[in-house]
Amino acid sequence: TQLLEQSPQFLSIQEGENLTVYCNSSSVFSSLQWYRQEPGEGPVLLVTVVTGGEVKKLKRLTFQFGDARKDSSLHITAAQPGDTGLYLCAGGDFGNEKLTFGTGTRLTIIP
Amino acid sequence: ETGVTQTPRHLVMGMTNKKSLKCEQHLGHNAMYWYKQSAKKPLELMFVYSLEERVENNSVPSRFSPECPNSSHLFLHLHTLQPEDSALYLCASSQLTSGNSDTQYFGPGTRLTVL
Repeated sequence: TQLLEQSPQFLSIQEGENLTVYCNSSSVFSSLQWYRQEPGEGPVLLVTVVTGGEVKKLKRLTFQFGDARKDSSLHITAAQPGDTGLYLCAGGDFGNEKLTFGTGTRLTIIP
Repeated sequence: ETGVTQTPRHLVMGMTNKKSLKCEQHLGHNAMYWYKQSAKKPLELMFVYSLEERVENNSVPSRFSPECPNSSHLFLHLHTLQPEDSALYLCASSQLTSGNSDTQYFGPGTRLTVL
């Protein structure tokens, strides 16, 4: 069974601070996706990384896929209240349709 | 309409009721999924349909019955549910290429409460 552990589980920081969220597994994934989910809504895709060592930047968000394709990180600089939400990583499986979702990180940015 | 839509958004039902959840995707995708999201647990995959055929059933109880009449529509029929089935039920779709998982796009979910 593939498992994706996210850390920290909860994070509450002041607006303007930087933060990093981690997604770790002992399994190798074909791709790694990050989603953000707001209360009462479905997860919304932020990014997909597919190559080991890949780094993608979306404005203040930086995503990295580990060289061994087993882990990923999400770094947010100068956090804003609009970044508040549940962040989910999800690993793609080789040769089938399945995604394995992480345990989630609930982020709160305090104005 | 764009993306993935789900109806109803909220549903309260008794344990003896029969109800159905509906999902529709407007993205031209060839795979659809049902997930269950409970508090303090990771998203649980329930069912996967690829090209309208069910390819995954993650040991889901028979009181949940999926139906995929075409590539754009997915239903989850519910009967004799238990209170522990209360959760957010999410539908997603994706475009499969060469059998590999691809980006999944989620609907807003149906918040189900079983009394």
